[in-house]
Amino acid sequence: GAVVSQHPSRVICKSGTSVKIECRSLDFQATTMFWYRQFPKQSLMLMATSNEGSKATYEQGVEKDKFLINHASLTLSTLTVTSAHPEDSSFYICSARDLTGNTIYFGEGSWLTVV
Amino acid sequence: QKEVEQDPGPLSVPEGAIVSLNCTYSNSAFQYFMWYRQYSRKGPELLMYTYSSGNKEDGRFTAQVDKSSKYISLFIRDSQPSDSATYLCAMTFTGGGNKLTFGTGTQLKVEL
Repeated sequence: GAVVSQHPSRVICKSGTSVKIECRSLDFQATTMFWYRQFPKQSLMLMATSNEGSKATYEQGVEKDKFLINHASLTLSTLTVTSAHPEDSSFYICSARDLTGNTIYFGEGSWLTVV
Repeated sequence: QKEVEQDPGPLSVPEGAIVSLNCTYSNSAFQYFMWYRQYSRKGPELLMYTYSSGNKEDGRFTAQVDKSSKYISLFIRDSQPSDSATYLCAMTFTGGGNKLTFGTGTQLKVEL
């Protein structure tokens, strides 16, 4: 199946700093990528939809100035958590839609810990 | 009422058993149905993708869709301990922004 790579898989940052997470589709082009957040033992919560070359669409309640999303190419989207706080500690997962159909593939996820 | 209902489990079965995982949904606009497997602390892995009523088989996995009843199932034959994971059903429709609507996930444990 198609591969979506996320980097870093784990990151620890200090409170008040910013951290960037990359999401790459390795063997297919993706005009649309999605960013999720997942808390322990809960399902995925969609944060935003990222379209190549345009501004991301954020879900209700997600701060666009805190979670900056850039989708500069058909294979790369980035999520930057700005001025991170301990409550931002979570598992962040991206997914990408295959151009050829409606199949959506997920990355391995990135664990963010803010200390 | 949630758009997609899924029993969270946990579901515990002996090795070799046939496992049945189910989701019901309320939005008749859903056209595409997926099952993902998520191991602890990992991203979801796509197992099955279907878009029509009926059965689709892939190895030990069979996905079943009944659009008239708004009910989907995933069957796992000859279950193995390595199948122990959380199974998420997800669905979407054309024009829905390609957003996936997920079930809460069913935690499965296959015991030796």
